[in-house]
Amino acid sequence: GAVVSQHPSWVICKSGTSVKIECRSLDFQATTMFWYRQFPKQSLMLMATSNEGSKATYEQGVEKDKFLINHASLTLSTLTVTSAHPEDSSFYICSARDGRLAGKGEQYFGPGTRLTVT
Amino acid sequence: AQSVTQPDIHITVSEGASLELRCNYSYGATPYLFWYVQSPGQGLQLLLKYFSGDTLVQGIKGFEAEFKRSQSSFNLRKPSVHWSDAAEYFCAVGPTSGTYKYIFGTGTRLKVLA
Repeated sequence: GAVVSQHPSWVICKSGTSVKIECRSLDFQATTMFWYRQFPKQSLMLMATSNEGSKATYEQGVEKDKFLINHASLTLSTLTVTSAHPEDSSFYICSARDGRLAGKGEQYFGPGTRLTVT
Repeated sequence: AQSVTQPDIHITVSEGASLELRCNYSYGATPYLFWYVQSPGQGLQLLLKYFSGDTLVQGIKGFEAEFKRSQSSFNLRKPSVHWSDAAEYFCAVGPTSGTYKYIFGTGTRLKVLA
């Protein structure tokens, strides 16, 4: 149980275009989802926290207009990188928290999406 | 400030040798504690977690970790390393309530010599 999927696993887009990454919880209700960014050989940097049905909370320094996050259902959150540029190339990882496990803050991680902007 | 420190950026061990990866944290209260492993180009796999109770936690793949409150540490150990253990290891802490946001350490890259 507690499986999180991401789609696509790898995407290449041209500079100036937008790309959407999906994060799904397959067998549980994800009341909270998190989006991370990871540069090569570095740790994960939290970009934003999204709660189902409400606006995402972005970490300091993350452009909310560039990284649009939507958490429209208890099993799906999307990250849209708008007007992508080469510096947005990175590994994006989502995670989800099972709202039934009150008090247990464990996050379940997706396999990641490699974004390359040319 | 809240932080997680993994003092060793790289560790190299021989196959069959024992392993200890260090993790220290600075946090307002005792947090939840996690160790994850990441192979190149892959997501994170949970090795083990500590919520409460017994301070010696057993995980998958033969890993264990010991929570030491007095030292604010949660070191990961394995008695005999296998070549397949070569990967990046991340320690993370999370609050017991509220935002449930994790703080990750910078990671330790493990190399295993045949």
